Amino acid sequence: DAKTTQPTSMDCAEGRAANLPCNHSTISGNEYVYWYRQIHSQGPQYIIHGLKNNETNEMASLIITEDRKSSTLILPHATLRDTAVYYCIVRGRAQKLVFGQGTRLTINP
Amino acid sequence: DAEITQSPRHKITETGRQVTLACHQTWNHNNMFWYRQDLGHGLRLIHYSYGVQDTNKGEVSDGYSVSRSNTEDLPLTLESAASSQTSVYFCASSESTLAFGTTNTGELFFGEGSRLTVL
Repeated sequence: DAKTTQPTSMDCAEGRAANLPCNHSTISGNEYVYWYRQIHSQGPQYIIHGLKNNETNEMASLIITEDRKSSTLILPHATLRDTAVYYCIVRGRAQKLVFGQGTRLTINP
Repeated sequence: DAEITQSPRHKITETGRQVTLACHQTWNHNNMFWYRQDLGHGLRLIHYSYGVQDTNKGEVSDGYSVSRSNTEDLPLTLESAASSQTSVYFCASSESTLAFGTTNTGELFFGEGSRLTVL
């Protein structure tokens, strides 16, 4: 599975959009981009995933560049409860997920 | 409701003891995984299974073993616990096939974690 690079930490004001970048320059054609988050010491929670096209669900939007070498997770109206570590993962045909260090997102009031 | 549960949630043991952490899921998922997470770090994959009688080593499998005798359970055993195995352990499960464009997102469902301290 391709490796990902994320900033170690980010801050965002409550009510603003939080944009979390991820670099995955070695991604191959059949690999998906997944995003999970982990709030405090809970188990990670699935947010969204995509292959080529942009995706949106009730939690977030995922923007994948045309060359698929990077993506951005967007939380449109961040709340204090969105403070968490966010993991960007590239996943191939194997069902397992390999986590990196993630981005620690802090939402400030 | 279907769920995934881990037990015990907290365990303190001594070096050299055998410890087993239980993981039970009621979704009938074929895939099950064990991760460990150390303070300030991401999750590292220990072992995983794609079905009954199937087990595979992850990136940090030394000192751990798993067995899969049924669909619902994947117990994680530390044969001889070491202080370096003090960690929080997460179990997860997922459907067998990643099928994009269907309702199957391939997402992993995680348990609440088991905190193990080896003295």
